[in-house]
Amino acid sequence: EPEVTQTPSHQVTQMGQEVILRCVPISNHLYFYWYRQILGQKVEFLVSFYNNEISEKSEIFDDQFSVERPDGSNFTLKIRSTKLEDSAMYFCASSILTGSSEQYFGPGTRLTVT
Amino acid sequence: GESVGLHLPTLSVQEGDNSIINCAYSNSASDYFIWYKQESGKGPQFIIDIRSNMDKRQGQRVTVLLNKTVKHLSLQIAATQPGDSAVYFCAETLYSGAGSYQLTFGKGTKLSVIP
Repeated sequence: EPEVTQTPSHQVTQMGQEVILRCVPISNHLYFYWYRQILGQKVEFLVSFYNNEISEKSEIFDDQFSVERPDGSNFTLKIRSTKLEDSAMYFCASSILTGSSEQYFGPGTRLTVT
Repeated sequence: GESVGLHLPTLSVQEGDNSIINCAYSNSASDYFIWYKQESGKGPQFIIDIRSNMDKRQGQRVTVLLNKTVKHLSLQIAATQPGDSAVYFCAETLYSGAGSYQLTFGKGTKLSVIP
């Protein structure tokens, strides 16, 4: 069964450093998303991406964040200058249809900022 | 602001019994309501969704009920099994017209199945 994959599974970085989280969505999906989950809290929407541009973004997704689909398979989230409060699980998700709320999530990348 | 919330943070159920997980929502304009299951160390897994113009939808061993009058959503799991142990999130979404659905998640209910 096709699945969303994410790398790395765990990323440790120092405050102020740049990190890139990588995702490979399901191959025939058209819509891509990033969510984050701070430990013990609920999953929060960051950004959605379609047709090589951002569709929507939340207040969390400020100028420190960017997304890119550098080729036909990868979807990346970049945090330019990490802060302690960026420590969280970051989930990538994808969906096939605009009319579908069914999003398939990857296993997540745990980002720890020290 | 408007948000999605959960009534019970934890639920323990005997194996074989039915489970009911509840959720309150406050955005009456939401198009879809979705239940996700999250097992330890994994991402959320889609279980079932329901459109706002429906009251009930059934899947395999699961049923979602939507009561728009009181803005209440529930997930019923029949014959609960040990593999059902997980955190269950309700989520709501409103199609913005931008081509994607932004999910707003509740905090989650932890379901523990007692063998």
